[in-house]
Amino acid sequence: DQQVKQNSPSLSVQEGRISILNCDYTNSMFDYFLWYKKYPAEGPTFLISISSIKDKNEDGRFTVFLNKSAKHLSLHIVPSQPGDSAVYFCAASAYAGGTSYGKLTFGQGTILTVHP
Amino acid sequence: NAGVMQNPRHLVRRRGQEARLRCSPMKGHSHVYWYRQLPEEGLKFMVYLQKENIIDESGMPKERFSAEFPKEGPSILRIQQVVRGDSAAYFCASYGPGGANVLTFGAGSRLTVL
Repeated sequence: DQQVKQNSPSLSVQEGRISILNCDYTNSMFDYFLWYKKYPAEGPTFLISISSIKDKNEDGRFTVFLNKSAKHLSLHIVPSQPGDSAVYFCAASAYAGGTSYGKLTFGQGTILTVHP
Repeated sequence: NAGVMQNPRHLVRRRGQEARLRCSPMKGHSHVYWYRQLPEEGLKFMVYLQKENIIDESGMPKERFSAEFPKEGPSILRIQQVVRGDSAAYFCASYGPGGANVLTFGAGSRLTVL
């Protein structure tokens, strides 16, 4: 039962253009969403997050959009840079008290390649 | 402030042997999570521990796997009688008070079962 899905295994973008990574979820109890970036042989690194009470969160070149009715979120990277080339994971959690936000459900990941 | 430290980074075991993976959380963090990433898949939650307590082990296989986070020392994920299907990257993450609702991950331990 894949509760968080990233349907695009890979995405290729030219430097300077926009990268859009998509994520769908099925569990309506999810109320906190995160994007992690992962380089080979390293652990995931937190990129940006959004609470279900918002529909947009922006941090520099990175913006996450949340559409609760569609159970869909997306990550926009503008402008894309070659150093952004990595695997991007979408993750979601459902608050259950205390520190339950640490129990994340991850998507399969999307490999982003930004060409110079 | 050192990050989450995991060792060994690479571990090779033969079928039937035991694997022990260690995780030292960030300084001041008392919550540890273990995740497993199988080839071509995303990370999957295994277990959540606080010092000396297992809080949630709903993602742990019922047999052969165990985890602990003692009062002193690192958290340990133990896999007994390993099988080829246990070959994966195992990531530890920590979370502490006062921070954002964000896990900090270690670099992972890659287990290969021959």
